[in-house]
Amino acid sequence: EPEVTQTPSHQVTQMGQEVILRCVPISNHLYFYWYRQILGQKVEFLVSFYNNEISEKSEIFDDQFSVERPDGSNFTLKIRSTKLEDSAMYFCASREQGGFAMNTEAFFGQGTRLTVV
Amino acid sequence: DAKTTQPNSMESNEEEPVHLPCNHSTISGTDYIHWYRQLPSQGPEYVIHGLTSNVNNRMASLAIAEDRKSSTLILHRATLRDAAVYYCILRDVSLSNFGNEKLTFGTGTRLTIIP
Repeated sequence: EPEVTQTPSHQVTQMGQEVILRCVPISNHLYFYWYRQILGQKVEFLVSFYNNEISEKSEIFDDQFSVERPDGSNFTLKIRSTKLEDSAMYFCASREQGGFAMNTEAFFGQGTRLTVV
Repeated sequence: DAKTTQPNSMESNEEEPVHLPCNHSTISGTDYIHWYRQLPSQGPEYVIHGLTSNVNNRMASLAIAEDRKSSTLILHRATLRDAAVYYCILRDVSLSNFGNEKLTFGTGTRLTIIP
């Protein structure tokens, strides 16, 4: 069964450092997302990406965050200068279609646990 | 997206059916009802969705009230692997919501399966 893969599974970084979280969405999917989950809290939407541009972003997704699809397979989330409060699980998701076909399911990866020290 | 209300936690015995309720009294005509679950230390996983009629798939069944103000996710025979947080989410598919792709997760119901 196709799946969304994320690397690394766990990343430890020092405060102020840049990190890049990587995701390989399912190959025929067109819509890509990043969510995060701080320990013990809700899963929160960060950003959606379609046709090589951001389609929606949350208040959390400030200038420190950026996303990129550098080639036909990878989808990355960059945090330029990490803060302690960026420590969380980061989930990548992809969807085959959107818009009127919003009822297609979103497939989530297993997540990257980011620890900022 | 319209709000949903779920119990914080539920317990069920292994190999028995589980009924997970969700209230969505402010649901609109263009809201679909989606269920996702999150197993421990994993990403969310799609379970099922529906609009008005009851739905069945290999994972679960979804029973939707006639007035659509509530729904119930049914696991017919719970296993230990079904222990997870279950999220009921409404998805507005109206034209005005075009491009709003995000899923808005609440706190869900934490299901514990007793061996």
